[in-house]
Amino acid sequence: AQTVTQSQPEMSVQEAETVTLSCTYDTSESDYYLFWYKQPPSRQMILVIRQEAYKQQNATENRFSVNFQKAAKSFSLKISDSQLGDAAMYFCAYKSNAGGTSYGKLTFGQGTILTVHP
Amino acid sequence: DAGVTQSPTHLIKTRGQQVTLRCSPKSGHDTVSWYQQALGQGPQFIFQYYEEEERQRGNFPDRFSGHQFPNYSSELNVNALLLGDSALYLCASSFDPDTEAFFGQGTRLTVV
Repeated sequence: AQTVTQSQPEMSVQEAETVTLSCTYDTSESDYYLFWYKQPPSRQMILVIRQEAYKQQNATENRFSVNFQKAAKSFSLKISDSQLGDAAMYFCAYKSNAGGTSYGKLTFGQGTILTVHP
Repeated sequence: DAGVTQSPTHLIKTRGQQVTLRCSPKSGHDTVSWYQQALGQGPQFIFQYYEEEERQRGNFPDRFSGHQFPNYSSELNVNALLLGDSALYLCASSFDPDTEAFFGQGTRLTVV
């Protein structure tokens, strides 16, 4: 079974600064997706960024980028120019693309609470 | 497009009772997944419905059951509620199991 671990329960950053959230995962599969989701107090889970395991290039979405290290099974999220609206719980998630019993299911980490200070 | 909608938003039930939560997927989506999120934790996969069939199931007891209707909306039923069932229940929909999942705002269930 796949597992996702986020070792930072809480992180904080000053507005306009850069912060990096860590995530490691364990899998024996070679074909999968990794995601970062944001969950603000409104509770709705919002997709921040997605990485396909077969792509070597790190994904980027505006101020959000990832550092995907497949061999190390590491997937960190960098938020540049942090804004007050970035404050939320962030979840790292894994989804198999290999078919079988795990197909389509998201496995989440425990989450990291991000606080942004003005 | 209303996105994924869940009802009710909040619910209080007594231990031993039964509860039904509802989810309407985003327009055009035919796959619905349910997750349980305990306070301060990440969501845990309960099950997934695709083409009105339960395609996958997580490590949850049989007290948790579901259904998908021909219009792709879905229900999650929990019988014999326990205090430990108190959580946020999230519904996610997608075009098929392989595409991006969109989440609803969840139903907060409190069992007393």
